[in-house]
Amino acid sequence: GAVVSQHPSRVICKSGTSVKIECRSLDFQATTMFWYRQFPKQSLMLMATSNEGSKATYEQGVEKDKFLINHASLTLSTLTVTSAHPEDSSFYICSAPGPTPGELFFGEGSRLTVL
Amino acid sequence: AQSVSQHNHHVILSEAASLELGCNYSYGGTVNLFWYVQYPGQHLQLLLKYFSGDPLVKGIKGFEAEFIKSKFSFNLRKPSVQWSDTAEYFCAVNARTGFQKLVFGTGTRLLVSP
Repeated sequence: GAVVSQHPSRVICKSGTSVKIECRSLDFQATTMFWYRQFPKQSLMLMATSNEGSKATYEQGVEKDKFLINHASLTLSTLTVTSAHPEDSSFYICSAPGPTPGELFFGEGSRLTVL
Repeated sequence: AQSVSQHNHHVILSEAASLELGCNYSYGGTVNLFWYVQYPGQHLQLLLKYFSGDPLVKGIKGFEAEFIKSKFSFNLRKPSVQWSDTAEYFCAVNARTGFQKLVFGTGTRLLVSP
């Protein structure tokens, strides 16, 4: 099946710094990618939808200036957590749409720890 | 707004036991329904899906799920689990119309002991 890869899988940073997470579709092109966030023992929450060549669409309550999303090409979307704080520590997962509505191919996730 | 409830957060079974994981959703319109699975150390992957037609759908690895519209449920079943079924299972729903956004349940962690 289609493969979506995320990098890095784990990152630890100091409070106030910025962290970039990459999401790549390895064997297919994705005009849209989705970024999810998962807190311990909670569901995956959709943060935003990145669109190749245009601005990302953010879900209600997600700070656009804190979570910068760029969809630079048909195979790469990036999430940058700016001025990170400990409460931003979480598991971030990206996905790309599959051939049928609602079917998604997921990356392996990136665990961010902000000290 | 859509929401998905998974009643069991942790389930422990012995091999060959039968499995049923509950999933209920809240949405007034027509939906597509999914079960995703995440095996240890692996990506989330699609287990099965329901769009329309026969409400009993079969997925990979012997799993099946039944859509009961009157109960807003989409429970996952397997007659006889194996140790390799140890994983986390997520139920998800999206609306048929409008923007196709998946809403996930909180997940059920299944541990199958050999």
